[in-house]
Amino acid sequence: KNQVEQSPQSLIILEGKNCTLQCNYTVSPFSNLRWYKQDTGRGPVSLTIMTFSENTKSNGRYTATLDADTKQSSLHITASQLSDSASYICVVTGTSYGKLTFGQGTILTVHP
Amino acid sequence: DGGITQSPKYLFRKEGQNVTLSCEQNLNHDAMYWYRQDPGQGLRLIYYSQIVNDFQKGDIAEGYSVSREKKESFPLTVTSAQKNPTAFYLCASSIVFFGLYEQYFGPGTRLTVT
Repeated sequence: KNQVEQSPQSLIILEGKNCTLQCNYTVSPFSNLRWYKQDTGRGPVSLTIMTFSENTKSNGRYTATLDADTKQSSLHITASQLSDSASYICVVTGTSYGKLTFGQGTILTVHP
Repeated sequence: DGGITQSPKYLFRKEGQNVTLSCEQNLNHDAMYWYRQDPGQGLRLIYYSQIVNDFQKGDIAEGYSVSREKKESFPLTVTSAQKNPTAFYLCASSIVFFGLYEQYFGPGTRLTVT
């Protein structure tokens, strides 16, 4: 069964600190992996999308990494801001035109 | 939210009543999707539509119905047959069906059924 597991479930950090969120998946074959940011009560917004040939992609203070061999991805947030408080969702697609498999999300809270 | 509007933002209904959630997009996207989000769970696909006048069941279609009479509109009806309808519903669209193209999400509708 295709699954996407994220850790930790929740994380609290102080403003200005860095953090790393993890995503492990069993989806096979693999086509692409996306990270979304979802503010409370809002729809998800795409941060990055990576295919199997990419192992790093950045979007401002967000850097995603992908290891297709170990089926792991991480999202690193640098110099966190209060506005980074949100749920971060890892999404994996199994084939070029396959359905998306969503992780349950990591809830990040940034305190001043 | 990327040119996708959902209305209303909050919806309250009594058990046994059907309710229709609106989703409109002005992105000229062919594909549209409905997802359901429950606390602590990943988004689950209810229905999707690749083109006008065509739609397919997703993973949890029971108790739901959709229509796609216009390219920009993809309303979702939650029927009384849906056993646990209280949830956050998200509509999304993409240029083409799934694939590498980004899915843009609407702001969501929170449905509460009592």
